[in-house]
Amino acid sequence: GEDVEQSLFLSVREGDSSVINCTYTDSSSTYLYWYKQEPGAGLQLLTYIFSNMDMKQDQRLTVLLNKKDKHLSLRIADTQTGDSAIYFCAESPFGAGSYQLTFGKGTKLSVIP
Amino acid sequence: DTGVSQNPRHKITKRGQNVTFRCDPISEHNRLYWYRQTLGQGPEFLTYFQNEAQLEKSRLLSDRFSAERPKGSFSTLEIQRTEQGDSAMYLCASSTHRLYEQYFGPGTRLTVT
Repeated sequence: GEDVEQSLFLSVREGDSSVINCTYTDSSSTYLYWYKQEPGAGLQLLTYIFSNMDMKQDQRLTVLLNKKDKHLSLRIADTQTGDSAIYFCAESPFGAGSYQLTFGKGTKLSVIP
Repeated sequence: DTGVSQNPRHKITKRGQNVTFRCDPISEHNRLYWYRQTLGQGPEFLTYFQNEAQLEKSRLLSDRFSAERPKGSFSTLEIQRTEQGDSAMYLCASSTHRLYEQYFGPGTRLTVT
């Protein structure tokens, strides 16, 4: 079965880079996602990567995937106070039919002004 | 606004009552998902529809829960004889042919007293 694990808290200073880490266990081809959730709100899709890729960059966001170690990271450059939120890592097996997402418990990012 | 919408946003009910939530997906999205999120946890998959067909149900979806998508557009999730353990945020997501991109609504927060 799938299991996704993340550290629960991260605190960074405004302007620094944030790195949020995630490990997953599914061994099949999979999509891996990062979602952002602000208090009382739904989830915002930030970016995703397929498991045959090593890296994906999208503006301030860089996703790195180490498939051998099943380790995913999200780097946010020049972190701003508006980036304070909970970040969820999720995976979805490719070709399994439903594409349901399995989420980690989320990492709460606090940005100190 | 062409995003996923959910109604109501908040629902407070007494234990034993029935509640129904509605989700309107992004127009032309043929796949619709329901997730449940409890405090401090990531969302957990409940069920998914492709058009009007309910193709997968999680074991979390007890027989008190029923979901429908009668015309392949909006969906409803009903909980009968609510229990305090049903208190959670109920999230809806939709996707189209780009199956790996699920877009979430703002959620319905249920409180059972």
